[in-house]
Amino acid sequence: NFMLTQPLSVSESPGKTVTISCTRSSGNIAANYVQWYQQRPDSPPTNVIYEDDQRPSGVPDRFSGSIDRSSNSASLTISGLKTEDEADYHCQSYDISTHSWVFGGGTRLTVL
Amino acid sequence: QITLRESGPTLVKPTQTLTLTCTFSGFSLSANGEAVGWIRQPPEKALEWLGVIYWDDSERYSPSLENRLTITKDTSKNHVVFTMTSMSPVDTGTYFCAHRKVGVTHCFDSWGLGTLVTVSS
Repeated sequence: NFMLTQPLSVSESPGKTVTISCTRSSGNIAANYVQWYQQRPDSPPTNVIYEDDQRPSGVPDRFSGSIDRSSNSASLTISGLKTEDEADYHCQSYDISTHSWVFGGGTRLTVL
Repeated sequence: QITLRESGPTLVKPTQTLTLTCTFSGFSLSANGEAVGWIRQPPEKALEWLGVIYWDDSERYSPSLENRLTITKDTSKNHVVFTMTSMSPVDTGTYFCAHRKVGVTHCFDSWGLGTLVTVSS
């Protein structure tokens, strides 16, 4: 079993770039793909990155994903921040040992 | 276009069994590779994966909850039914059903709006 740990909150100004991390507690981050979801208040999550770095159609290229084996973490980077990007962001992966889907704790992004 | 909608009680009493239905359109759960999952979110807290049912009738559940969970499907009605036994106040939260992205093993690409379930006497 592993956990995915995210910072509780991050904040940045409009037009800037922000990166949200997602650290896997055990096992190799590259062993299973990481997905990212955006959740605005009182709305369901929507997928913004799948398979570590793939963008679904309709998601702006301001959103990008990556993994870093050295820190055993995945990252979501949002460039050219807009106020509409203010939301909670959740990472998610798969635990093959228990056949379970694992979510991170979520990060609240404030754009101020 | 894929859509999903959760329905069921908004209030259940402690010890009761929760039954929720996910009604979907835009895909067939009998088609190879399709799957529907359930996820919940306590107020102001993280998402928690609960379980998933696949096109071939196989199911997987969260190890910490699997003795309380059952997911079934009715492909003729485009329904997935979720049950959770022995409800307690800590089970209060919004329950979502979601479609797994075909061709991508572990990604939910479409979500229902969610239904808020409160557990209280």
